[in-house]
Amino acid sequence: AQTVTQSQPEMSVQEAETVTLSCTYDTSENNYYLFWYKQPPSRQMILVIRQEAYKQQNATENRFSVNFQKAAKSFSLKISDSQLGDTAMYFCAFMKPVSQGGSEKLVFGKGTKLTVNP
Amino acid sequence: DVKVTQSSRYLVKRTGEKVFLECVQDMDHENMFWYRQDPGLGLRLIYFSYDVKMKEKGDIPEGYSVSREKKERFSLILESASTNQTSMYLCASSLYREGYGYTFGSGTRLTVV
Repeated sequence: AQTVTQSQPEMSVQEAETVTLSCTYDTSENNYYLFWYKQPPSRQMILVIRQEAYKQQNATENRFSVNFQKAAKSFSLKISDSQLGDTAMYFCAFMKPVSQGGSEKLVFGKGTKLTVNP
Repeated sequence: DVKVTQSSRYLVKRTGEKVFLECVQDMDHENMFWYRQDPGLGLRLIYFSYDVKMKEKGDIPEGYSVSREKKERFSLILESASTNQTSMYLCASSLYREGYGYTFGSGTRLTVV
């Protein structure tokens, strides 16, 4: 079974600085999908960024980008120019696609609590 | 935007009660999911459904059941609530399209006393 590990339970960063959240995963598959989700305090979980494993180019969404290292099974999230609104729990997630014998279910890491300080 | 609505934000139930958690999505998504979120444990899948009347067990189905009589609605049932089922419950939906991400509801914080 696939597992997702987020080794940093908590992190903090100063406003306007850059922070990187770590995520590693374990799989024997060649094709899969990786996600970062954000859960602000008492608010809904939202998708931040998505990466397809067969695409070598790292995904970016405005201030959010990933460093996808397929051989190392690493998928870190970089937040540039951190803002107070980035304060949240961040979850890394893995999906084995149906075409590879998987399902639509996401396997989540335990999360990293990020605090952006003014 | 897709909306996933969970009927209650907070619930307090007594041990032994039968509890229904309701989830409705409004964008014709085929897949629906119930996760449980606990501090330090992340999100764990309880049940999911690909279509009406279809259900699949997730990683922690014990003590739970589900119902999907209509495409837009996916209910989680605690047959006899216990204190160890005190948790945040998250519902999510997605299109049946490979690698598509989920849309989550706001969650139901259930306390069993």
